[in-house]
Amino acid sequence: DTAVSQTPKYLVTQMGNDKSIKCEQNLGHDTMYWYKQDSKKFLKIMFSYNNKELIINETVPNRFSPKSPDKAHLNLHINSLELGDSAVYFCASSHAPNQPQHFGDGTRLSIL
Amino acid sequence: AQKITQTQPGMFVQEKEAVTLDCTYDTSDPSYGLFWYKQPSSGEMIFLIYQGSYDQQNATEGRYSLNFQKARKSANLVISASQLGDSAMYFCAMREVSQGGGYQKVTFGIGTKLQVIP
Repeated sequence: DTAVSQTPKYLVTQMGNDKSIKCEQNLGHDTMYWYKQDSKKFLKIMFSYNNKELIINETVPNRFSPKSPDKAHLNLHINSLELGDSAVYFCASSHAPNQPQHFGDGTRLSIL
Repeated sequence: AQKITQTQPGMFVQEKEAVTLDCTYDTSDPSYGLFWYKQPSSGEMIFLIYQGSYDQQNATEGRYSLNFQKARKSANLVISASQLGDSAMYFCAMREVSQGGGYQKVTFGIGTKLQVIP
C-alpha cells in the first residue's frame, strides 16, 4: 500500500510545454505539500495545503499552480516549462502542519 | 541568517560505530518542530525523528536519537551502531508555527552525506 503516491515518476518534456504532476495520499492526512529538490540536493518548499486551503505559498513563479480537489489530492500544474524547472519534485503529507511529513517517491522532471 | 545550518557536507563512520550529525537552527517563534530525514541514493525521503520545541525529553527512535539543546539552538542527530544501509544524505528541517497555527514555514538544511565504511 503506497502511502503517498505521485505520478509520473519521470517526466521528460520540451521547453514551453505545460505539464501536471499528480499526488495522492491514503493516510487520511489533512496537510499536503510540494517541494522542489535541485541538482545540488537543496530541498525547498513550494506550497502547502491544509484541508484544501492554501497555507504556504513560497516565492515561486506564477507558472506553478497547485490544485487540491480534496484533502487526499494535491496536483501541481506547470505552464510554459523552462530549463530551470528541471528538478525532482516531491509531494508530502502530514496529519497537521506541525507534524512529521511522509514523502512520495518524487517526480524527476527533465526539460529538453 | 540561515534558518537551518548543517556544517558537515560529508562524513565517514566505521560500521558499528556511533555518529553525530550536526544541525543548528534559528527562529524567534516559541513553538517549532525539528525533523530529520534520510535520503538514500534511490531518492526517496524517509522521516526519521521529530522533536517539538516544548518536548522535555530528547526524542529517540530505535538507533536514532536527537540531542536537543534548546539554549544553544542545536538539534544533532545521533545514529548508534552504524550500518551500511545508513549511508545516505541526511536533512535537518524546522517547522515554525505561529500562534493559532494558521501560518507555518518549513525550512530544510543543505544536508550531510554520510558514508558508512565496512
